[in-house]
Amino acid sequence: DVKVTQSSRYLVKRTGEKVFLECVQDMDHENMFWYRQDPGLGLRLIYFSYDVKMKEKGDIPEGYSVSREKKERFSLILESASTNQTSMYLCASSPSGWQPQHFGDGTRLSIL
Amino acid sequence: GQQVMQIPQYQHVQEGEDFTTYCNSSTTLSNIQWYKQRPGGHPVFLIQLVKSGEVKKQKRLTFQFGEAKKNSSLHITATQTTDVGTYFCAGPVDSNYQLIWGAGTKLIIKP
Repeated sequence: DVKVTQSSRYLVKRTGEKVFLECVQDMDHENMFWYRQDPGLGLRLIYFSYDVKMKEKGDIPEGYSVSREKKERFSLILESASTNQTSMYLCASSPSGWQPQHFGDGTRLSIL
Repeated sequence: GQQVMQIPQYQHVQEGEDFTTYCNSSTTLSNIQWYKQRPGGHPVFLIQLVKSGEVKKQKRLTFQFGEAKKNSSLHITATQTTDVGTYFCAGPVDSNYQLIWGAGTKLIIKP
């Protein structure tokens, strides 16, 4: 079974802090994705990566950056956290192309 | 830009009643995927449809892909409490490997 592991289930940070969210997958998937999910807004793509060191902006990349130094790990970075980044963050991976995505349990991030 | 519209946003049903959610894409899709997210959980892949007019069944769930490959539906017969959650459709973006997601339909069982 595919395992996508997000480093924290819950996280509380302060405005202005630099925040790192980590995601690791164990199935040698090519693609990895970061989404945020807010009530009534569904899943919105922040960034995705289809290869090591490659990244593409999604629909809402402002205020975020990503890093993919190794195939299995995809990090989301909030450069200077703001209260409007309080949300549920979901990481996903897929083998290649448009194959189905496998999600982690999510990180509920609160910015105070 | 490319859009996937999903309706309704919510559906309240009595246990045992049927449930249907619909997705409509602004463009032709090469495939459509369906996911289920239980309350407090993460989206879990259910099925992928690829062919025009395709119909697939998983027990009480029936998935259809339209002839023009621009719309899809998920129908649940005789809902049970285990069906509670939000159902999402998602289709591939033409130019890269991301999916474009519907907003989801939340299935709520009336007490």
